[in-house]
Amino acid sequence: KAGVTQTPRYLIKTRGQQVTLSCSPISGHRSVSWYQQTPGQGLQFLFEYFSETQRNKGNFPGRFSGRQFSNSRSEMNVSTLELGDSALYLCASSLRTSEVGKEQFFGPGTRLTVL
Amino acid sequence: KQEVTQIPAALSVPEGENLVLNCSFTDSAIYNLQWFRQDPGKGLTSLLLIQSSQREQTSGRLNASLDKSSGRSTLYIAASQPGDSATYLCAAFPPNAGNMLTFGGGTRLMVKP
Repeated sequence: KAGVTQTPRYLIKTRGQQVTLSCSPISGHRSVSWYQQTPGQGLQFLFEYFSETQRNKGNFPGRFSGRQFSNSRSEMNVSTLELGDSALYLCASSLRTSEVGKEQFFGPGTRLTVL
Repeated sequence: KQEVTQIPAALSVPEGENLVLNCSFTDSAIYNLQWFRQDPGKGLTSLLLIQSSQREQTSGRLNASLDKSSGRSTLYIAASQPGDSATYLCAAFPPNAGNMLTFGGGTRLMVKP
């Protein structure tokens, strides 16, 4: 069974640009969550999507947005990039039933560098 | 707001030693707790998920315990090997937050041959 895949794996952008990251969950998983990992702040939750609807959102500015498609694939967009957005962006997928707290499976991440 | 802490931040042990990694959380009303391993520059690998109704979970040389009343979880690694060198992260599922995880800062483990 294929794991969570993320594209691209590496990205270099300049301040002010926007970027779109993609995540394909494990087959059959319908919940996709996004996290930002930086040396200073560690792993921080961005948002969770399930059935094409945002279910939870972390404490990030509106420049960070996402969406989920009918096949459960998800994209994350960051507009007006800042130097502080340089980070490893990780996507996680899980089964999501009426019971929450399901085991999360992470992809390899997208390393974003903002110059 | 749930906070998760892992102590120590770094640990170096000789090969073959049994070791314990600690994780504490401030809100005992967590749903479940999950342990991960992260190799440098890589994503997270799930090690164990402990459901809130469980006290222990085992996988191979790994054993994780959960004590919600004291706000603590431990990850026990038996007979450590150099290949166990990585950063270990614990993460709690806060109540009423879907599948959101709150992570600790991690323990960076080095197992020396």
